[in-house]
Amino acid sequence: NAGVMQNPRHLVRRRGQEARLRCSPMKGHSHVYWYRQLPEEGLKFMVYLQKENIIDESGMPKERFSAEFPKEGPSILRIQQVVRGDSAAYFCASSPVLDSGGYTFGSGTRLTVV
Amino acid sequence: KQEVTQIPAALSVPEGENLVLNCSFTDSAIYNLQWFRQDPGKGLTSLLLIQSSQREQTSGRLNASLDKSSGRSTLYIAASQPGDSATYLCAVGGGSQGNLIFGKGTKLSVKP
Repeated sequence: NAGVMQNPRHLVRRRGQEARLRCSPMKGHSHVYWYRQLPEEGLKFMVYLQKENIIDESGMPKERFSAEFPKEGPSILRIQQVVRGDSAAYFCASSPVLDSGGYTFGSGTRLTVV
Repeated sequence: KQEVTQIPAALSVPEGENLVLNCSFTDSAIYNLQWFRQDPGKGLTSLLLIQSSQREQTSGRLNASLDKSSGRSTLYIAASQPGDSATYLCAVGGGSQGNLIFGKGTKLSVKP
C-alpha cells in the first residue's frame, strides 16, 4: 500500500520556465492538499482539491499558479513563468474524508529556480 | 486568523532526557491538532492526532496533550534517543475546509 507519491523529488527550472509537480494520493483517498514550505518558514496551505473540483484555493498566489485533480491520474500543481521566489519544497497530502485528520504527506518536491 | 506558535525554535538535549515541546494557537475553535516529525530533506510523518474532544494521545514514548481553552498543546518525549533528532511540527485543523495551519517547528537535537 504505497503512500502519497510525489514526483519529481527534485526539480530545477530556469526563470521563466514552467514547473509541473505531480501527486498521487494514497489508495482510497479522495482529498488532496498542496502545501509550500519556504526556506526557514513553516508549511503554508495552498489548495485543497477533490476529484475534478477545487474546493479551496485561498492559499494559492493569484497569478502563475494553478492546480488540478482530474478524474484519472495524479493531481498536478503547475507554476508558470517561475521566479527565484518560487524556490521551495512543495508537499502534497491526502486524506480519505474531510476533517478525518488522517492526513498522509508525500516526501515533497524541491523546486529550485536558477 | 489562526496563528500557531512553537517554542522553543531549537532544543539540544543529552540522550536519555525527558523533554517537552510546546505549541500554542490563537483560535480555540479547532477541529483537531496533529504533531508531525520532519527529517531533513524528507516529508512529514504523522506522530499523534488529537481530536478536539480529546485531551491527550499516547504512542510509545510520545504523549501529546491538548488544552483548547488555553490554546495549548504539548508533546512529551520520554527517554530521548539520538534517532529522535528531527524537526517537530504542530498543526491545527480548523475543520471547515480541511487545511492545516502549521507552526514553524522545533528543531530537536539529541546528543549521544
